[in-house]
Amino acid sequence: GQQVMQIPQYQHVQEGEDFTTYCNSSTTLSNIQWYKQRPGGHPVFLIQLVKSGEVKKQKRLTFQFGEAKKNSSLHITATQTTDVGTYFCAGSNQGGKLIFGQGTELSVKP
Amino acid sequence: GAGVSQSPSNKVTEKGKDVELRCDPISGHTALYWYRQRLGQGLEFLIYFQGNSAPDKSGLPSDRFSAERTGESVSTLTIQRTQQEDSAVYLCASSPHPGAQGYTFGSGTRLTVV
Repeated sequence: GQQVMQIPQYQHVQEGEDFTTYCNSSTTLSNIQWYKQRPGGHPVFLIQLVKSGEVKKQKRLTFQFGEAKKNSSLHITATQTTDVGTYFCAGSNQGGKLIFGQGTELSVKP
Repeated sequence: GAGVSQSPSNKVTEKGKDVELRCDPISGHTALYWYRQRLGQGLEFLIYFQGNSAPDKSGLPSDRFSAERTGESVSTLTIQRTQQEDSAVYLCASSPHPGAQGYTFGSGTRLTVV
């Protein structure tokens, strides 16, 4: 079945350093979504990528979707303590269920 | 309502008892999903409802788990004869349609089986 792998599992950074999490799917995806879950909270939608090679930015966050639509990445520039949480990618096939990666837990040391 | 509502927020039950978890999706959202999240883990897909189509039950871990949805509204997830390994947060999410920009999650039900 469809699998979505995400690395690293944990990332500890100093405030101001950059952070990247990577996502790989075993199958070609129709779209990929990214979510953030703060400690004790529920996942909150960040963005969706649909097109091959697509790049989207939200302030300090940059999201990429691979040319083959099987991998994606989230890059945060100059992390802040407010970026703390677990970042999940989630992919789906056409009209199908959304399968989540295992998440990358980001901690930021002030 | 304004968001996805789940009840109860917390449930402690004895091993072997049945539990029923409820999800009220956002009005008009045709797609509804249940996920399970164990402590410190990712989201495990359980079941997916889309309109009047047959639900995708491929993620249900055993026949002790079942879920229903009334039309395009409330959904209930039932776990029979609960086991300690069922302890987790059960999250419900809804979206206007498959492929829509993002799912909206409820705050979850934290289930503890003692």
